[in-house]
This record gives sequence, C-alpha cells and structure tokens, in this order.
Amino acid sequence: DADVTQTPRNRITKTGKRIMLECSQTKGHDRMYWYRQDPGLGLRLIYYSFDVKDINKGEISDGYSVSRQAQAKFSLSLESAIPNQTALYFCATSPQGQETQYFGPGTRLLVL
Amino acid sequence: SQELEQSPQSLIVQEGKNLTINCTSSKTLYGLYWYKQKYGEGLIFLMMLQKGGEEKSHEKITAKLDEKKQQSSLHITASQPSHAGTYLCGAEATGGFKTIFGAGTRLFVKA
Repeated sequence: DADVTQTPRNRITKTGKRIMLECSQTKGHDRMYWYRQDPGLGLRLIYYSFDVKDINKGEISDGYSVSRQAQAKFSLSLESAIPNQTALYFCATSPQGQETQYFGPGTRLLVL
Repeated sequence: SQELEQSPQSLIVQEGKNLTINCTSSKTLYGLYWYKQKYGEGLIFLMMLQKGGEEKSHEKITAKLDEKKQQSSLHITASQPSHAGTYLCGAEATGGFKTIFGAGTRLFVKA
C-alpha cells in the first residue's frame, strides 16, 4: 500500500462549487504539505502543517483552506472553485528535522 | 524571495548518451534536493546535497553542489529510457522551514 494517498485522483467540477481534496499518510510524519503544479511553474506551496495544531500559509494560499484532522490526514478545500485553479495538486509529508519530502500520486483537478 | 532556475527546460537525448541538468539559486543554498517525476505522478526523492563541493551518486545519476553553494548539476551517464521524466530541484528556502522548487527539466530519451 502507498504511504501517501490522495483522493480523488481526478476531479472535474464547475465554477463556484466547493470541493475537498484529501490526503492520508501512514508514514507517521508530523509535517504535511499541499502543492499545486502548473506547466512551466513547477511546484508552488499552498499550505503546510508541522503538526495537528500548526497550520501555515504558503505562497499561494488565497482561495484555499486546509484542515489537519489528525496527524495522518490533511485536507485541502476550494471554497468556490474558479478555472485558474485547474492544476495538479500534490500532498507531501516529511519527518520532523528532515526536509526530504514524500509525495502522494497527485489529484488532477479541472474547473470548468 | 529565493528562486530556483533550471536549465534546460527540456532535453531530448539518444539512448546511451550522457546529459547534464542545472539548477541555479538566487541565494545561497543550505540544502539542495533532486526529485524525479514521471508524467502525472508524484515526485520521487533522488538525492540531497548540503555541503559545498559535495557530490553524490546513485546508479548512473550523479549530483554535485558547487563550492559557492548556489548551483547544482545532475549528470546522467549512458541514459536509458527509464531515465525519462521530469527532474526537479528543490531547496530549503532561506528564512523558513519549507522547500521551494524549480520549474523542472523534462527529459526524453530516444531508444
């Protein structure tokens, strides 16, 4: 079984809809991250969490919110989806004290 | 803010040829990571470099961090189709505890 899982893997939604992307990990890592990837722009950090009570904004947090329900779960929400949020979204984890990150398989989101 | 620039953006090589990908930082690097990504999939960690002049190898892939710690190179010897994918460099952002990434270099290997 994969250590970092993301659901759904693919999603098509309409402008204005609220959607949630979920991430679960079995690695026991304290730190979790949400990134989006766009062609030519690489990965950009949306939010990160160093433990259940610690949530921080990344460089592109506008239009997104997150919830760290447990050490193993970190969800990303788009409150009112817009077309320029169409992207590939990745969840990642890392153990405390290390910057090496372990990535989930990604969620491909299309907002019409 | 710190930025990572990768070159080239894409690369097509004949199987068996050597190639080099570069990652240049606008600020001193305190930790440099190389990841590989297959199309539409997550990133796989390859190597981490921390010390100026450090060099690490894994199978046919060698990564170096220059002495001034502002540039890293990834060298693949005798490329194979299995090397195809996008290679991204990542670095610890100065003043923070998060990683920033370059835009990636897409590698194609012709059989």
